[in-house]
Amino acid sequence: DTGVSQDPRHKITKRGQNVTFRCDPISEHNRLYWYRQTLGQGPEFLTYFQNEAQLEKSRLLSDRFSAERPKGSFSTLEIQRTEQGDSAMYLCASSFAYSGANVLTFGAGSRLTVL
Amino acid sequence: QQQVKQSPQSLIVQKGGIPIINCAYENTAFDYFPWYQQFPGKGPALLIAIRPDVSEKKEGRFTISFNKSAKQFSLHIMDSQPGDSATYFCAASGSAGGKLIFGQGTELSVKP
Repeated sequence: DTGVSQDPRHKITKRGQNVTFRCDPISEHNRLYWYRQTLGQGPEFLTYFQNEAQLEKSRLLSDRFSAERPKGSFSTLEIQRTEQGDSAMYLCASSFAYSGANVLTFGAGSRLTVL
Repeated sequence: QQQVKQSPQSLIVQKGGIPIINCAYENTAFDYFPWYQQFPGKGPALLIAIRPDVSEKKEGRFTISFNKSAKQFSLHIMDSQPGDSATYFCAASGSAGGKLIFGQGTELSVKP
């Protein structure tokens, strides 16, 4: 297992364009998380899935953001009509959910630059 | 109430020193407190974690101290090395699992 994979690693786009990021979690993990991280800040929670179900979505998340995990394996995060304020590192993490510790394994992230 | 506050924002120590990073939380429903380490260009990686039923946990050179009554916890790095230079994040989550709430991060630099 190669860990959590994210693609693309870098994306430069013009304001108003749509972008999509993909995350492939660790295969035996049933939970998948998306976080956003800006320079000098901690990861900010966006949303998470358990299997196919989206269990929580941040109130801070604009309706321009949508995430899917159609078959309970990989996930996509789409940002529509990008704005310069969307420029950030988008981190994906996965975990195996059980009652107890919640150990998240992160990918290396997808860096978005909106011009 | 969902916030985790972390300090200091940055820290410089000499090799062999013991940097200490502090975090505070408000939500008493939190019961899992991990620390993550992040190097430039990489995602955060779990370093060590603690639950509130113990006051201290050690793993190698890393120690978490936990004060439940004060709702504070801290990371100590013994005999720090230049390779420890990274950004450190504290985090917290509730017993149902789900999301981790992260602190703002501490950029640590260990000088040779």
